Amino acid sequence: GAGVSQSPSNKVTEKGKDVELRCDPISGHTALYWYRQSLGQGLEFLIYFQGNSAPDKSGLPSDRFSAERTGGSVSTLTIQRTQQEDSAVYLCASRVSGGAGETQYFGPGTRLLVL
Amino acid sequence: AQKITQTQPGMFVQEKEAVTLDCTYDTSDQSYGLFWYKQPSSGEMIFLIYQGSYDEQNATEGRYSLNFQKARKSANLVISASQLGDSAMYFCAMSPRSNDYKLSFGAGTTVTVRA
Repeated sequence: GAGVSQSPSNKVTEKGKDVELRCDPISGHTALYWYRQSLGQGLEFLIYFQGNSAPDKSGLPSDRFSAERTGGSVSTLTIQRTQQEDSAVYLCASRVSGGAGETQYFGPGTRLLVL
Repeated sequence: AQKITQTQPGMFVQEKEAVTLDCTYDTSDQSYGLFWYKQPSSGEMIFLIYQGSYDEQNATEGRYSLNFQKARKSANLVISASQLGDSAMYFCAMSPRSNDYKLSFGAGTTVTVRA
């Protein structure tokens, strides 16, 4: 079946602009995660969704970052007033809920470059 | 909080030989999952293998096996019969068996397979 998809695959923006990153999880996966991968910080957790709720937003680096999920499916990560330090690869992952579904499956990522 | 340590930044291995990638972890959780992911130059995170903390047997998936030593808190990945396509970055990760299952990652090991 189809895996996790993300769009756009690459995004170049100017400092101060807003960007939206999209994630389409594997069908039936109720848990969805956003991670960020940057040279200096490695792979960091950003936010977790269970259904449309986000019980863990602890990894969002500032209030410029927000995310939502609608219909228990597609999620959008929004970065407002982008800064150069936001340049990174943003990875989305999804997982089946329940004890047998611990493994997270990742999308191809969105490479964000802020000029 | 979880901490994952991968002490080998880069490794070279000859085609058809086996290679062991080291991973140690630190956690106060009693129940957790351990994962290895492969990230080729294309950037996608590919799930390789999973080990639950209460699994008595070491996990195996084709040419991948996980050498799990719970008392030593290590979860080394063994790749047998290396192939040129195994050249990639490899990440060790863990998640607590709690409501969110969010992943903590090590810094990664770059493997280069030589012909």
